[in-house]
Formats: sequence, C-alpha cells, structure tokens
Amino acid sequence: GQNIDQPTEMTATEGAIVQINCTYQTSGFNGLFWYQQHAGEAPTFLSYNVLDGLEEKGRFSSFLSRSKGYSYLLLKELQMKDSASYLCAVMDSNYQLIWGAGTKLIIKP
Amino acid sequence: GAVVSQHPSRVICKSGTSVKIECRSLDFQATTMFWYRQFPKQSLMLMATSNEGSKATYEQGVEKDKFLINHASLTLSTLTVTSAHPEDSSFYICSARDLTSGGDTDTQYFGPGTRLTVL
Repeated sequence: GQNIDQPTEMTATEGAIVQINCTYQTSGFNGLFWYQQHAGEAPTFLSYNVLDGLEEKGRFSSFLSRSKGYSYLLLKELQMKDSASYLCAVMDSNYQLIWGAGTKLIIKP
Repeated sequence: GAVVSQHPSRVICKSGTSVKIECRSLDFQATTMFWYRQFPKQSLMLMATSNEGSKATYEQGVEKDKFLINHASLTLSTLTVTSAHPEDSSFYICSARDLTSGGDTDTQYFGPGTRLTVL
C-alpha cells in the first residue's frame, strides 16, 4: 500500500533550527509537497520537490531523495508564528495526493 | 492506509455539464468536511465547510449555487460543480475532521484529490 510517515509532534525553541522528516512509499512519484497549516486555517503551500536535492526559500528549505523515499523540511531561525502543523504529501503516478498525518510543531520561547 | 477517499479521481467533461465529486471518510465519522481547490504549486483554497445535516458554509467569493455541497451522512459529502466551465478546471481536495482523535479538533485527514478538466 501507499504510505507517508512523519513524526506526530516536535518541540523546538525560538531562534533554533528544526528538521521535520517525511518518508514515503508510493506507487510512482510525481513530486512531494510541504504545507503549513495553522489551527482553523487552510494549508499554505511551502514547497514542491520533484528532483533530488535541496530547495531553499528564505528560512525554509526542503530536501528530497527519491532513491531513499525521503524528504525533510528544515526551518531556521524559528519564530513563535511557526507553531503549526506541517503536512507532507506525495503525488503518485496517477497524480493523486497521498497525505502524511502531519507534524505538530510546538515552538517554545 | 488512506482514511479519506474521493471519487472520481479524475473527470473530463464538456462545458455546461454538471459533475459530482464524492468524499468519504473510511474509518471514522466526520461531522465536518472541507472542500478545497488547489492550483499548481499553490496553497489550498478553502471553498466551503460541509456540516452533516445542515447547510454548508461557503467562503467569500465562492458561488453556492454553482458549487453545491451535500453532507448527507457522517461519512459522505458531495460537491457538485454545476454548469461547469473551463475556468472551473482544477484539482479539488476534500478533508474530514476526526473528532475522536484524542480530542484534537484540528486533526484533518485529506483526500487524494479529484482532477477536473472542463473542455
């Protein structure tokens, strides 16, 4: 079956760096998405990786290794507003999204 | 495994026809389901919140007469795009809120999406 795994919850300190991992097993691969979702709001697009390597966008970076079925989202200089759920989703060979359960990130002062 | 399913996964229709998309929660009851629209590499845009047994709540700018939502049971919500036009072509995603998941009312499970192409 198809599966996406990411940690349920992580805690980090304001100003620090945190890495949220995502591993996947899917039938085919047409890209991996990271979304941020604050409570009660719609998911906000953060990144899209389809080729191996690191994509940097400001304080957020996303890495992909297709051979390992692995991605991570790296958040630097953490701010309190980064407290949210982070969703990993993979688009399979049928262009369907397979979603992870989300990682709840708690930022402490 | 998937906890929310959508049917169909993709649909191509002619302009002026209506298309129904189903969203089902598979292992839990969902009193609330959400319908989103996604454009490539962009955030999910919330269209409406579907509540079982009552009328859906639409976001500003979403035509309720064009996007009909019916939440007939605790496991099924449907979105009907009426008189579809090419500009309605998009990726439609539903999600369901599982209220039994440890009391966390913000646990949402997302469906795989339905790709609508209107010719």
